[in-house]
Amino acid sequence: SAVISQKPSRDICQRGTSLTIQCQVDSQVTMMFWYRQQPGQSLTLIATANQGSEATYESGFVIDKFPISRPNLTFSTLTVSNMSPEDSSIYLCSVEFDYFTDTQYFGPGTRLTVL
Amino acid sequence: ELKVEQNPLFLSMQEGKNYTIYCNYSTTSDRLYWYRQDPGKSLESLFVLLSNGAVKQEGRLMASLDTKARLSTLHITAAVHDLSATYFCAVDMTPGGSQGNLIFGKGTKLSVKP
Repeated sequence: SAVISQKPSRDICQRGTSLTIQCQVDSQVTMMFWYRQQPGQSLTLIATANQGSEATYESGFVIDKFPISRPNLTFSTLTVSNMSPEDSSIYLCSVEFDYFTDTQYFGPGTRLTVL
Repeated sequence: ELKVEQNPLFLSMQEGKNYTIYCNYSTTSDRLYWYRQDPGKSLESLFVLLSNGAVKQEGRLMASLDTKARLSTLHITAAVHDLSATYFCAVDMTPGGSQGNLIFGKGTKLSVKP
């Protein structure tokens, strides 16, 4: 499996501001994903980020709110824009590293609190 | 609507007892995953089930898949405190294969008491 790191691990932000979350993988991977886990809830896929193409967003998530970059095969960023308290969640990136089983491996997460 | 339903959502067990967590899903899928999440931590991959009748075992945990019934089970044998965590099942809803479109269940919060 891959070693996945995220920065920052946590942050407290004011409403109306933006935060960029970084996801770094120690191996080259084609598919990277961004998820949101609201407090006490399950995971919801925000978007799929493949290198060399635009991110694909799931229903309910838009690029203006969650712009994503994928400049190379080991790195991606997710920006949470114009934040409100409803954006308080854990944001996790994942990678698909095992091409036989397509298992996704998750980063440690970024815990975001918006005041 | 694509749904993945787990039950129970909360489970309090005595050490040494057996129990089963159920995961039902609403549409055809080739792949089902089980993950574990400890409080304040990320998700750890436990099992991937790729075909009807697949059974995987690791220690006190055993997962199985019945694609006809659209049902997976996670069976816990002789529970120990270290198994206390939240367990998620996730189903790949992409027809014919994986594009990473995982739909997660709500999770089962397991507490194993002495």
